[in-house]
Amino acid sequence: KQEVTQIPAALSVPEGENLVLNCSFTDSAIYNLQWFRQDPGKGLTSLLLIQSSQREQTSGRLNASLDKSSGRSTLYIAASQPGDSATYLCAVSGLSNFGNEKLTFGTGTRLTIIP
Amino acid sequence: EPEVTQTPSHQVTQMGQEVILRCVPISNHLYFYWYRQILGQKVEFLVSFYNNEISEKSEIFDDQFSVERPDGSNFTLKIRSTKLEDSAMYFCASSESDGWGYTFGSGTRLTVV
Repeated sequence: KQEVTQIPAALSVPEGENLVLNCSFTDSAIYNLQWFRQDPGKGLTSLLLIQSSQREQTSGRLNASLDKSSGRSTLYIAASQPGDSATYLCAVSGLSNFGNEKLTFGTGTRLTIIP
Repeated sequence: EPEVTQTPSHQVTQMGQEVILRCVPISNHLYFYWYRQILGQKVEFLVSFYNNEISEKSEIFDDQFSVERPDGSNFTLKIRSTKLEDSAMYFCASSESDGWGYTFGSGTRLTVV
């Protein structure tokens, strides 16, 4: 059974700093890995999708890497801003025993950027 | 950018009542899903739906739950005889094909009182 762990559970950094969020997963047989952002009481916004054959993806100030063999991914946020404050969720996609894709989520990292 | 639309955004219901949560997936997507998130817990898989039938359901998705795609555009989750522990945020999602990533709706917050 796939297990996804995110470290740290919470992180506070001053505005302008670069930061790294970590995600690890136990089963390397994945289709892809997605990073989501969740604001309090709100839905899930997809930030980056990394296919299993890829090593990294970039979008603006965000860069996500994937090391499938070691079961790890990192989300790098450059030049953090107060608007980046949110919970960041990592989710891995794999084939279930029934032949369809489903996501397994981590518990998230709650990020606070201090102005 | 195409969106997954969920209605209502918040529903309050009495314990024992039936609720229907509604979703309009992205029009060219073929795979549809419901997930839920109990406050303070992980987002967890409920059910996947493809080709007009359930392809997989979790152990949470018992006889109390059902899904339907009644008209080719809407995708609904029905919860019969709601319990207090059904209170959660319910997310609908769709994907174009396996491995292409999900698009989630903004969720329906269900509160059972």
